[in-house]
Amino acid sequence: GQQLNQSPQSMFIQEGEDVSMNCTSSSIFNTWLWYKQDPGEGPVLLIALYKAGELTSNGRLTAQFGITRKDSFLNISASIPSDVGIYFCAGQDNAGNMLTFGGGTRLMVKP
Amino acid sequence: DAGVTQSPTHLIKTRGQHVTLRCSPISGHKSVSWYQQVLGQGPQFIFQYYEKEERGRGNFPDRFSARQFPNYSSELNVNALLLGDSALYLCASSLEPLNSPLHFGNGTRLTVT
Repeated sequence: GQQLNQSPQSMFIQEGEDVSMNCTSSSIFNTWLWYKQDPGEGPVLLIALYKAGELTSNGRLTAQFGITRKDSFLNISASIPSDVGIYFCAGQDNAGNMLTFGGGTRLMVKP
Repeated sequence: DAGVTQSPTHLIKTRGQHVTLRCSPISGHKSVSWYQQVLGQGPQFIFQYYEKEERGRGNFPDRFSARQFPNYSSELNVNALLLGDSALYLCASSLEPLNSPLHFGNGTRLTVT
């Protein structure tokens, strides 16, 4: 079945630093999404990407849909303590029935 | 506007029992999906419903079933609970099943003892 490899698994950075994380897939996806999950809560949608090559920003967050449709990355600029959490990538195929999630990147920010 | 709401928030059951989890989608959203999230992993797809019809099913045993009601709310049922069913069960809704991002509720934390 489809699998998403998300890296890194965890990051411990200093406040103000930029962060980059990525996802790669063995299969093509038509949609890539990035979510953030805080403890005890459900994933919250950050950015949705619908076209290969698309680059989309949401405040300090920027994400890109890879040209091959098999990868995506998320950048966070000038990190702040509230960026702490687990970030998940997710791909949606043409059938649209399901999201396939990566294993998550745990981000820790040192003030 | 209210987001996706799920009930109960926490639940403890013993092996062999059954459980019913409930979900109300965002107003206007017609598609509801269920995901299971085991601690330390990403969510895994269980079901998708749209207009009361099952549109997709993940790799879960027949002990798992779901349905969607005319008001687009949904229930997830799990029979003959196993210890391995302990997880966070997430409900997500979207306007349409395709090209419409999923918005998740805060989940139901199920513990099976």
